[in-house]
Amino acid sequence: GENVGLHLPTLSVQEGDNSIINCAYSNSASDYFIWYKQESGKGPQFIIDIRSNMDKRQGQRVTVLLNKTVKHLSLQIAATQPGDSAVYFCAGLLPGNQFYFGTGTSLTVIP
Amino acid sequence: DTEVTQTPKHLVMGMTNKKSLKCEQHMGHRAMYWYKQKAKKPPELMFVYSYEKLSINESVPSRFSPECPNSSLLNLHLHALQPEDSALYLCASSLSQGQGEETQYFGPGTRLLVL
Repeated sequence: GENVGLHLPTLSVQEGDNSIINCAYSNSASDYFIWYKQESGKGPQFIIDIRSNMDKRQGQRVTVLLNKTVKHLSLQIAATQPGDSAVYFCAGLLPGNQFYFGTGTSLTVIP
Repeated sequence: DTEVTQTPKHLVMGMTNKKSLKCEQHMGHRAMYWYKQKAKKPPELMFVYSYEKLSINESVPSRFSPECPNSSLLNLHLHALQPEDSALYLCASSLSQGQGEETQYFGPGTRLLVL
């Protein structure tokens, strides 16, 4: 079936380093993607989104890159902080206007 | 303001109980969603309401019954649940399901335990 998946289930980074979380998708019809951050015991929090007419979008300390050729997107977090520790999900919009979520990457920031 | 609220925060119920989960948003969003999330898994879509009408039911068992009393409220009625229904139930909303308006914002969830 259609899916949006992540390459690595866990990622540990040193505080202050940059983090890169990857996501692959299978449906080339997906034209809108969102990255969510979910802290323990909380609901997913919107971080940043990107549409298929763009290949890069920047927010505060975060950048999303979209490569439609290889159906891959990534989330880059600059100067990672302990408060960035969470599970990160990518979600892709499919025909029918439903989002499908990746399996999630657990980011741990080491002080 | 991108706030979606959910009550209760935690719920413990027996398999013969009837309970309801509530979700509210005052952002003028016309699409609202219920998701189920098991531990260490991504959210799974259950229901979608668009303009107060049920538009998507992802083959959810009838022991889960959604209701949208008005454009700001979304309920999920629970009856005769099974222990495997224990999960985090998330509500989300978006401006609509139309192009450019699909961004979904989530509530904090209700942690449900079925005994």
